[in-house]
Amino acid sequence: GDSVTQMEGPVTLSEEAFLTINCTYTATGYPSLFWYVQYPGEGLQLLLKATKADDKGSNKGFEATYRKETTSFHLEKGSVQVSDSAVYFCALKGGTSYGKLTFGQGTILTVHP
Amino acid sequence: DAGVIQSPRHEVTEMGQEVTLRCKPISGHDYLFWYRQTMMRGLELLIYFNNNVPIDDSGMPEDRFSAKMPNASFSTLKIQPSEPRDSAVYFCASSPRLASNEQYFGPGTRLTVT
Repeated sequence: GDSVTQMEGPVTLSEEAFLTINCTYTATGYPSLFWYVQYPGEGLQLLLKATKADDKGSNKGFEATYRKETTSFHLEKGSVQVSDSAVYFCALKGGTSYGKLTFGQGTILTVHP
Repeated sequence: DAGVIQSPRHEVTEMGQEVTLRCKPISGHDYLFWYRQTMMRGLELLIYFNNNVPIDDSGMPEDRFSAKMPNASFSTLKIQPSEPRDSAVYFCASSPRLASNEQYFGPGTRLTVT
């Protein structure tokens, strides 16, 4: 079945550092890929998405490129801020999932001033 | 729009008691999802509905859990009897249509069973 694997956390960075959170997936068909973010005490919200190979999703300075050849969708940001501290979830919607999302385990990011 | 509304935000109950969690999806959304989040197991999909009909309940952990959606604007998740291992944050999410790429999450209900 469909699955998503994220890099182990937690990740701790200083402000303005470069961020990468790795995500790889297994899916049948041609999935859509997502990054969701969960701020403390809140529900998840969509950060960015990509629906086909080589698409790049971007939002709030974050980027991720859909790489079919490596089945990856790594999240990057060039300069993180304290306000980026949150839990980040990689997710996919497979071709046969009928609306379901499959989530990774989440990666906790803490950014220090 | 007010977004997905969940109540209560926090619930503390004793083992053996019945617990009912409530969700109001965004108006016009056809899909409704119930998730459970714990440190040990991460985010798990419990059940989801399309047009008020349960589509997949394979994630419901056991018969103590039940979910209903009597109309397009309301859903409940019930645990009877509750156990300490049910302690978690329960999220409701809704989505406008099958082809939509986005689910909109509520703020969650933090359940503690003592």
